[in-house]
Amino acid sequence: QKEVEQNSGPLSVPEGAIASLNCTYSDRGSQSFFWYRQYSGKSPELIMFIYSNGDKEDGRFTAQLNKASQYVSLLIRDSQPSDSATYLCAVTLRFISNFGNEKLTFGTGTRLTIIP
Amino acid sequence: DAGITQSPRHKVTETGTPVTLRCHQTENHRYMYWYRQDPGHGLRLIHYSYGVKDTDKGEVSDGYSVSRSKTEDFLLTLESATSSQTSVYFCATALRDGDATNEKLFFGSGTQLSVL
Repeated sequence: QKEVEQNSGPLSVPEGAIASLNCTYSDRGSQSFFWYRQYSGKSPELIMFIYSNGDKEDGRFTAQLNKASQYVSLLIRDSQPSDSATYLCAVTLRFISNFGNEKLTFGTGTRLTIIP
Repeated sequence: DAGITQSPRHKVTETGTPVTLRCHQTENHRYMYWYRQDPGHGLRLIHYSYGVKDTDKGEVSDGYSVSRSKTEDFLLTLESATSSQTSVYFCATALRDGDATNEKLFFGSGTQLSVL
């Protein structure tokens, strides 16, 4: 079982509709959850992060976290062609090291295409 | 945006040769990371550093070594390049000072490495 799982897509959504991206994770001890957007040929950039159960809204983006069910989702309202990208879910998973650092583990990403 | 510079941006090399990739940051972030990104695998952590001369292995560290002699620079060395190390390599940094908002990663532009 992969530690962080995402549907690879592609997910096609009409312009103006809501795009819903989902991510599940395996470690119940996970603490921090991030959504990165990556345009083709570019580096990932952070768009949302969430630490507590529930919803967090930032403009057209809403992150939803449900720790009991071990999933985190990203909703994009009023989808625009510029939202076409790959969206990476990332989770901090506990691991044992000398210094107790938590590392960030990424899912493989969901490719989103907004259809004009 | 965090000032993160990766060099070179593109590199073609032959199997068996050593290769060094450089990451330079101007943000004074404590943490630095090397990831590789491959289709179907997403971003995978190679090595990371939590301070000058303090480094640790990630999930795909075999065949790679790193060094961090000063805060700004994090070097990734492929000791004897193989075709399986053909990939896009991303450097990332994070402040991670205990404030939850500083857990996020900032990425460099990436290095496309081809091993023939």
